[in-house]
Amino acid sequence: DVKVTQSSRYLVKRTGEKVFLECVQDMDHENMFWYRQDPGLGLRLIYFSYDVKMKEKGDIPEGYSVSREKKERFSLILESASTNQTSMYLCASSPILAGGKSYEQYFGPGTRLTVT
Amino acid sequence: GQQLNQSPQSMFIQEGEDVSMNCTSSSIFNTWLWYKQEPGEGPVLLIALYKAGELTSNGRLTAQFGITRKDSFLNISASIPSDVGIYFCAGLYSGAGSYQLTFGKGTKLSVIP
Repeated sequence: DVKVTQSSRYLVKRTGEKVFLECVQDMDHENMFWYRQDPGLGLRLIYFSYDVKMKEKGDIPEGYSVSREKKERFSLILESASTNQTSMYLCASSPILAGGKSYEQYFGPGTRLTVT
Repeated sequence: GQQLNQSPQSMFIQEGEDVSMNCTSSSIFNTWLWYKQEPGEGPVLLIALYKAGELTSNGRLTAQFGITRKDSFLNISASIPSDVGIYFCAGLYSGAGSYQLTFGKGTKLSVIP
């Protein structure tokens, strides 16, 4: 079974703090993704990565950065947390596209971040 | 970017009833995915569809990839209380140098025992 784990289920941080959210997958997937999920807005893509040290901006990258030093690990960084970054953060991974199959993304359990 | 319209937004049904939900888009997709998310958890993949017209089942769940490639539906037969959750569709377009997965906003399903 594919397993995607996230470092914390719940996190409370203060405005201005630097926040690290860690994600690890054990299926040797090339692609990894960070989303945030908010009521009424659905899932929005923040950043994704096709390979180690590669990153691409998603739809809402402002206020975030990412790091992928190892294939299995993808970190989301909030340089200076703000209250509007209070949200559920979901990490996902997927294998590389091959012959029209294997497009599925597998999600971690999520980290509910509250910024006060 | 691409947008998906998922409907209905929410449903209250009696245990044992069948459920139907759908997603439509103005854009075509190569793949449709259906996920279920329970409170406090991440989405779990239920069904993946790869070809226009494809009909796939997973237990009591059946999903179809619309022939126009712009829509998909999910049916749940004989609902049970553990079917409660939010169901998301996602459409994937992948072309030269492009890989984009677009999510619907979800259908919240409540099952009354």
